[in-house]
Amino acid sequence: GAVVSQHPSWVICKSGTSVKIECRSLDFQATTMFWYRQFPKQSLMLMATSNEGSKATYEQGVEKDKFLINHASLTLSTLTVTSAHPEDSSFYICSAKGVQGDYGYTFGSGTRLTVV
Amino acid sequence: GQNIDQPTEMTATEGAIVQINCTYQTSGFNGLFWYQQHAGEAPTFLSYNVLDGLEEKGRFSSFLSRSDSYGYLLLQELQMKDSASYLCAVIDSNYQLIWGAGTKLIIKP
Repeated sequence: GAVVSQHPSWVICKSGTSVKIECRSLDFQATTMFWYRQFPKQSLMLMATSNEGSKATYEQGVEKDKFLINHASLTLSTLTVTSAHPEDSSFYICSAKGVQGDYGYTFGSGTRLTVV
Repeated sequence: GQNIDQPTEMTATEGAIVQINCTYQTSGFNGLFWYQQHAGEAPTFLSYNVLDGLEEKGRFSSFLSRSDSYGYLLLQELQMKDSASYLCAVIDSNYQLIWGAGTKLIIKP
């Protein structure tokens, strides 16, 4: 089945630094990538939607200059948290939708970000 | 606005059956998903319904009634490993995925 590889699984960084999270679709082409954030005991919150080769569409309240998304190829999308602060500590998950147009959404394994 | 309603928490006994309901109010409908999420992990796909009726997949079954904007996930022969959150999600007319808040299922011996 479709697999999305997400790295790193967890990261601890100092306040003010930037962190890059990668999601790669291993055996299919991901035309659309969704980036979610999930705080403890809460549901997934969509941050942005990116289509290959175009700018990401951010949800209301999500700072596009802080959460940089790049979807340069059909198999790779990255989320960079710039100038991270402790309130950015969360579980970040990507989800890819394939080119076949089916309704399968494949999730990455998630990245636990802790900003100290 | 768009909304997905599902119970916050349910408790069941090992070996029993539990039904997790999901009702939705969305702009259009293109399918209903169920995902399982263990604490600290990403969601994993369980089922997808786009037509009315029951789809059975081993111990897990999923039901959809589009006229009632309602679906449910049925878990049979519950095992301790089934303790997790179960997320209901609906694809709207713009093919956006709308997520419920999840139902935390607690299995007791």
